Amino acid sequence: DTEVTQTPKHLVMGMTNKKSLKCEQHMGHRAMYWYKQKAKKPPELMFVYSYEKLSINESVPSRFSPECPNSSLLNLHLHALQPEDSALYLCASSQDHRGGPYNEQFFGPGTRLTVL
Amino acid sequence: SQQGEEDPQALSIQEGENATMNCSYKTSINNLQWYRQNSGRGLVHLILIRSNEREKHSGRLRVTLDTSKKSSSLLITASRAADTASYFCATAFGSARQLTFGSGTQLTVLP
Repeated sequence: DTEVTQTPKHLVMGMTNKKSLKCEQHMGHRAMYWYKQKAKKPPELMFVYSYEKLSINESVPSRFSPECPNSSLLNLHLHALQPEDSALYLCASSQDHRGGPYNEQFFGPGTRLTVL
Repeated sequence: SQQGEEDPQALSIQEGENATMNCSYKTSINNLQWYRQNSGRGLVHLILIRSNEREKHSGRLRVTLDTSKKSSSLLITASRAADTASYFCATAFGSARQLTFGSGTQLTVLP
């Protein structure tokens, strides 16, 4: 199984809602990532988990809260978002050779988030 | 700020022609990768070239890397309408577990 799955595909939420995005992979990868992508722009890294521990947080506002329950799952909890947070949220995974050469990332199809 | 810049920003060619996209970056790298993204979808990894490699092939793709100029190019030969997508270069550097993506090239292949 060489697939990264993301749910839901689309999400519309109000600024007072709480929702969660989910990501799953069964490739045995130990690094997982959340990216945010605005239209016609490259993906921007938000968080990196390595061996289920948060290793990189790119100064993301606290209204985004990541969680890695186990090596296959990655969640992104959303609360009190702003309309400017509307974007495509991408999850990715990769093998993680600690301190070694960096490998390719496998991306999910993304969740299209609209904040009203 | 983004590590890589790509040019052209947009490229439109006829089916069967070759497409060349360029990427420049700013710091030393471990490797450089190219990804394709169809509209509104996830990214698909195309090819990875390590800093000690100069050229790499995969099917109709040819990637070159010039570390002295801090630049890379992606050549797609005999393009097809299905190659229409955005193409991003991404660099990995230092010991950071992260990629930094270039600005992307939107390729349109006309049938």
